[in-house]
Amino acid sequence: DAMVIQNPRYQVTQFGKPVTLSCSQTLNHNVMYWYQQKSSQAPKLLFHYYDKDFNNEADTPDNFQSRRPNTSFCFLDIRSPGLGDAAMYLCATSRDFTGTGSGTEAFFGQGTRLTVV
Amino acid sequence: ELKVEQNPLFLSMQEGKNYTIYCNYSTTSDRLYWYRQDPGKSLESLFVLLSNGAVKQEGRLMASLDTKARLSTLHITAAVHDLSATYFCAVDTWRDGNKLVFGAGTILRVKS
Repeated sequence: DAMVIQNPRYQVTQFGKPVTLSCSQTLNHNVMYWYQQKSSQAPKLLFHYYDKDFNNEADTPDNFQSRRPNTSFCFLDIRSPGLGDAAMYLCATSRDFTGTGSGTEAFFGQGTRLTVV
Repeated sequence: ELKVEQNPLFLSMQEGKNYTIYCNYSTTSDRLYWYRQDPGKSLESLFVLLSNGAVKQEGRLMASLDTKARLSTLHITAAVHDLSATYFCAVDTWRDGNKLVFGAGTILRVKS
Protein backbone atom coordinates (compact mmCIF):
# COMPACT_ATOMS: atom_id res chain seq x y z
CA ASP A 1 0.00 0.00 0.00
CA ALA A 2 1.23 3.43 -0.90
CA MET A 3 2.33 5.35 2.16
CA VAL A 4 3.31 8.66 0.56
CA ILE A 5 0.83 9.68 -2.10
CA GLN A 6 1.33 12.51 -4.51
CA ASN A 7 -1.38 13.99 -6.68
CA PRO A 8 -1.59 14.40 -9.52
CA ARG A 9 1.02 12.14 -11.11
CA TYR A 10 1.15 14.40 -14.16
CA GLN A 11 0.26 18.08 -14.25
CA VAL A 12 0.22 20.38 -17.24
CA THR A 13 -0.10 24.06 -16.49
CA GLN A 14 0.09 27.25 -18.48
CA PHE A 15 2.93 29.68 -18.16
CA GLY A 16 2.15 32.00 -15.26
CA LYS A 17 -0.93 30.12 -14.07
CA PRO A 18 -0.73 29.13 -10.38
CA VAL A 19 -0.57 25.42 -9.68
CA THR A 20 -0.72 23.33 -6.53
CA LEU A 21 0.76 19.89 -6.02
CA SER A 22 -0.30 17.77 -3.09
CA CYS A 23 1.28 15.14 -0.90
CA SER A 24 -0.34 13.00 1.76
CA GLN A 25 1.11 10.38 4.06
CA THR A 26 -0.23 7.62 6.23
CA LEU A 27 2.97 7.14 8.22
CA ASN A 28 2.45 9.88 10.81
CA HIS A 29 5.93 11.13 10.06
CA ASN A 30 6.74 14.56 11.43
CA VAL A 31 9.17 15.65 8.72
CA MET A 32 7.99 16.29 5.17
CA TYR A 33 10.15 17.40 2.25
CA TRP A 34 9.63 18.81 -1.21
CA TYR A 35 12.26 18.20 -3.84
CA GLN A 36 12.57 19.42 -7.40
CA GLN A 37 14.31 17.11 -9.84
CA LYS A 38 15.13 18.20 -13.35
CA SER A 39 16.19 15.80 -16.06
CA SER A 40 19.52 14.06 -15.37
CA GLN A 41 20.01 15.94 -12.12
CA ALA A 42 19.91 15.00 -8.46
CA PRO A 43 16.85 15.92 -6.41
CA LYS A 44 17.16 19.45 -5.07
CA LEU A 45 15.61 20.25 -1.72
CA LEU A 46 13.20 23.17 -1.92
CA PHE A 47 11.98 23.19 1.70
CA HIS A 48 10.96 20.91 4.48
CA TYR A 49 8.67 20.93 7.48
CA TYR A 50 9.87 19.75 10.83
CA ASP A 51 6.52 19.35 12.55
CA LYS A 52 4.95 22.74 11.88
CA ASP A 53 8.24 24.53 11.49
CA PHE A 54 8.87 25.56 7.91
CA ASN A 55 12.49 25.47 6.69
CA ASN A 56 13.16 27.14 3.39
CA GLU A 57 16.37 26.53 1.47
CA ALA A 58 18.26 29.74 0.81
CA ASP A 59 18.19 29.32 -2.95
CA THR A 60 14.53 28.35 -3.29
CA PRO A 61 12.81 31.01 -5.42
CA ASP A 62 9.99 33.03 -3.86
CA ASN A 63 7.76 31.63 -6.58
CA PHE A 64 7.61 28.41 -4.58
CA GLN A 65 5.53 28.25 -1.42
CA SER A 66 4.37 25.44 0.80
CA ARG A 67 1.59 24.72 3.25
CA ARG A 68 1.20 21.98 5.79
CA PRO A 69 -2.28 22.20 7.31
CA ASN A 70 -1.85 19.03 9.36
CA THR A 71 0.56 16.14 9.87
CA SER A 72 -0.77 14.16 6.93
CA PHE A 73 -0.84 16.72 4.16
CA CYS A 74 1.62 19.05 2.54
CA PHE A 75 1.16 21.25 -0.53
CA LEU A 76 3.55 22.84 -2.97
CA ASP A 77 2.27 26.04 -4.55
CA ILE A 78 3.95 27.52 -7.59
CA ARG A 79 2.59 31.02 -7.91
CA SER A 80 3.66 31.83 -11.46
CA PRO A 81 5.19 28.82 -13.18
CA GLY A 82 7.84 29.47 -15.74
CA LEU A 83 9.22 27.14 -18.37
CA GLY A 84 12.21 26.53 -16.12
CA ASP A 85 9.95 25.08 -13.43
CA ALA A 86 9.10 22.05 -15.52
CA ALA A 87 10.42 19.13 -13.51
CA MET A 88 9.56 16.12 -11.40
CA TYR A 89 8.49 17.18 -7.92
CA LEU A 90 9.09 14.64 -5.19
CA CYS A 91 7.57 14.58 -1.74
CA ALA A 92 9.23 12.61 1.04
CA THR A 93 8.57 11.99 4.71
CA SER A 94 10.61 10.78 7.63
CA ARG A 95 10.52 10.64 11.38
CA ASP A 96 13.28 12.64 12.94
CA PHE A 97 15.48 11.52 15.70
CA THR A 98 17.49 13.71 17.96
CA GLY A 99 20.54 11.58 18.27
CA THR A 100 19.18 9.38 21.00
CA GLY A 101 16.28 7.63 19.30
CA SER A 102 16.12 5.41 16.28
CA GLY A 103 13.95 7.45 13.95
CA THR A 104 12.85 6.08 10.61
CA GLU A 105 14.10 6.33 7.09
CA ALA A 106 12.77 8.68 4.46
CA PHE A 107 10.03 7.46 2.13
CA PHE A 108 9.31 9.03 -1.23
CA GLY A 109 6.08 9.43 -3.12
CA GLN A 110 5.74 8.56 -6.81
CA GLY A 111 6.33 12.14 -7.84
CA THR A 112 4.41 14.68 -9.90
CA ARG A 113 5.75 15.49 -13.32
CA LEU A 114 5.00 19.13 -14.08
CA THR A 115 4.89 20.41 -17.63
CA VAL A 116 4.61 24.14 -18.31
CA VAL A 117 3.22 25.17 -21.70
CA GLU B 1 26.75 22.55 5.75
CA LEU B 2 26.30 18.93 4.77
CA LYS B 3 27.65 18.06 1.31
CA VAL B 4 27.54 14.72 -0.44
CA GLU B 5 29.80 13.67 -3.29
CA GLN B 6 29.44 10.60 -5.45
CA ASN B 7 31.76 9.08 -7.95
CA PRO B 8 31.84 8.09 -10.64
CA LEU B 9 29.00 10.08 -12.16
CA PHE B 10 28.73 7.74 -15.10
CA LEU B 11 29.61 4.07 -15.19
CA SER B 12 29.46 1.83 -18.21
CA MET B 13 30.19 -1.78 -17.45
CA GLN B 14 29.95 -5.17 -19.04
CA GLU B 15 27.62 -7.81 -17.74
CA GLY B 16 29.30 -10.09 -15.27
CA LYS B 17 31.78 -7.50 -14.04
CA ASN B 18 32.14 -6.02 -10.57
CA TYR B 19 32.35 -2.37 -9.67
CA THR B 20 31.99 0.04 -6.76
CA ILE B 21 30.27 3.41 -6.44
CA TYR B 22 31.60 5.73 -3.77
CA CYS B 23 29.79 8.27 -1.63
CA ASN B 24 31.61 10.77 0.57
CA TYR B 25 29.95 13.23 2.88
CA SER B 26 31.29 16.24 4.67
CA THR B 27 29.95 16.20 8.22
CA THR B 28 28.75 13.74 10.79
CA SER B 29 25.60 12.06 9.57
CA ASP B 30 23.00 9.84 11.15
CA ARG B 31 21.52 7.98 8.24
CA LEU B 32 22.92 7.14 4.86
CA TYR B 33 20.62 5.99 2.10
CA TRP B 34 21.08 4.42 -1.30
CA TYR B 35 18.32 4.90 -3.84
CA ARG B 36 17.73 3.61 -7.32
CA GLN B 37 15.91 5.67 -9.92
CA ASP B 38 14.68 4.47 -13.30
CA PRO B 39 13.97 7.05 -16.03
CA GLY B 40 10.78 8.99 -15.35
CA LYS B 41 10.20 7.26 -12.04
CA SER B 42 10.53 8.20 -8.40
CA LEU B 43 13.20 6.98 -6.03
CA GLU B 44 13.29 3.39 -4.87
CA SER B 45 14.92 2.83 -1.50
CA LEU B 46 17.68 0.22 -1.61
CA PHE B 47 19.47 0.48 1.72
CA VAL B 48 19.53 2.55 4.89
CA LEU B 49 22.76 2.43 6.87
CA LEU B 50 22.79 3.71 10.41
CA SER B 51 26.02 2.79 12.12
CA ASN B 52 29.72 2.47 11.51
CA GLY B 53 30.60 -0.81 9.88
CA ALA B 54 27.05 -1.46 8.72
CA VAL B 55 26.84 -3.73 5.71
CA LYS B 56 23.66 -4.63 3.87
CA GLN B 57 23.20 -6.84 0.85
CA GLU B 58 20.35 -7.39 -1.53
CA GLY B 59 20.93 -9.57 -4.55
CA ARG B 60 23.91 -8.28 -6.50
CA LEU B 61 24.16 -5.05 -4.51
CA MET B 62 26.01 -4.58 -1.25
CA ALA B 63 26.31 -1.33 0.67
CA SER B 64 28.68 -0.49 3.48
CA LEU B 65 29.30 2.47 5.74
CA ASP B 66 32.45 3.81 7.37
CA THR B 67 31.43 6.76 9.51
CA LYS B 68 34.99 7.57 10.52
CA ALA B 69 36.02 8.03 6.90
CA ARG B 70 32.58 9.50 6.07
CA LEU B 71 32.39 7.06 3.21
CA SER B 72 29.81 4.65 1.91
CA THR B 73 30.22 2.22 -0.95
CA LEU B 74 27.74 0.46 -3.17
CA HIS B 75 29.32 -2.65 -4.63
CA ILE B 76 27.89 -4.33 -7.69
CA THR B 77 28.69 -7.98 -8.17
CA ALA B 78 28.38 -9.70 -11.55
CA ALA B 79 26.35 -6.91 -13.08
CA VAL B 80 23.28 -7.67 -15.17
CA HIS B 81 21.43 -5.42 -17.62
CA ASP B 82 18.48 -4.97 -15.21
CA LEU B 83 20.73 -3.03 -12.86
CA SER B 84 20.97 -0.19 -15.37
CA ALA B 85 19.58 2.89 -13.60
CA THR B 86 20.73 5.99 -11.74
CA TYR B 87 21.90 5.41 -8.19
CA PHE B 88 21.86 8.14 -5.57
CA CYS B 89 23.29 8.24 -2.11
CA ALA B 90 21.75 10.63 0.40
CA VAL B 91 22.54 11.61 3.94
CA ASP B 92 20.62 13.22 6.74
CA THR B 93 21.38 14.32 10.24
CA TRP B 94 19.41 15.86 13.04
CA ARG B 95 22.33 18.23 13.47
CA ASP B 96 21.34 19.90 10.20
CA GLY B 97 17.62 20.04 10.79
CA ASN B 98 16.95 16.57 9.42
CA LYS B 99 17.60 17.76 5.87
CA LEU B 100 18.10 14.91 3.44
CA VAL B 101 20.93 15.85 1.08
CA PHE B 102 21.64 13.96 -2.13
CA GLY B 103 24.76 13.21 -4.07
CA ALA B 104 24.80 13.97 -7.78
CA GLY B 105 23.95 10.42 -8.74
CA THR B 106 25.72 7.72 -10.71
CA ILE B 107 24.29 6.68 -14.07
CA LEU B 108 24.95 2.98 -14.47
CA ARG B 109 24.74 1.34 -17.87
CA VAL B 110 25.29 -2.40 -18.03
CA LYS B 111 26.08 -3.63 -21.51
CA SER B 112 25.20 -7.10 -22.67
